[in-house]
Amino acid sequence: NAGVTQTPKFRVLKTGQSMTLLCAQDMNHEYMYWYRQDPGMGLRLIHYSVGEGTTAKGEVPDGYNVSRLKKQNFLLGLESAAPSQTSVYFCASSYSGQPQHFGDGTRLSIL
Amino acid sequence: GENVEQHPSTLSVQEGDSAVIKCTYSDSASNYFPWYKQELGKGPQLIIDIRSNVGEKKDQRIAVTLNKTAKHFSLHITETQPEDSAVYFCAASMNSGGYQKVTFGTGTKLQVIP
Repeated sequence: NAGVTQTPKFRVLKTGQSMTLLCAQDMNHEYMYWYRQDPGMGLRLIHYSVGEGTTAKGEVPDGYNVSRLKKQNFLLGLESAAPSQTSVYFCASSYSGQPQHFGDGTRLSIL
Repeated sequence: GENVEQHPSTLSVQEGDSAVIKCTYSDSASNYFPWYKQELGKGPQLIIDIRSNVGEKKDQRIAVTLNKTAKHFSLHITETQPEDSAVYFCAASMNSGGYQKVTFGTGTKLQVIP
């Protein structure tokens, strides 16, 4: 039972490049979330999904897009990366609406 | 919106001593208060939670207390061990349009000195 798996674990991008972060969960959870974690700040919600085919904006959605085509996968896209998006990104899932299981993060640097 | 403040930002204790982390929240609509432990290089792990209709909850060496009137809640770790060293986050959660909106504190780095 892998839980929540995030790929890649590390990535360095140049300003303006695009990329997709993948989150996969094997617990059949309906809810999935993408957070970013910055030094001195708590986790902030980017986007979330309450089920396959649904997505919604969180607190800091600008510059990001998401898709939930399959229940087990939640993708986070950066269309044109900016240095302000340098952060650690965490995916989480739950059955109850509260984030319960987190992945180990993707460390993203934008130069 | 909800605002969660967490103190202290760093905490050092001797092994075997107790550690207390305190959080305050601003919105009385918050009704669920989880605590997460984050080890270096890992994602947050839910370690204990408390709902607004409960004043205290214990799980072995950890306990949480909630004072709804004062809008504050605390994490207590007794008989601390080196493996308790980590960053701890509190959070306050409320229902917001079909999902639970969770606001996190800024974290407390706990160091347990052997």
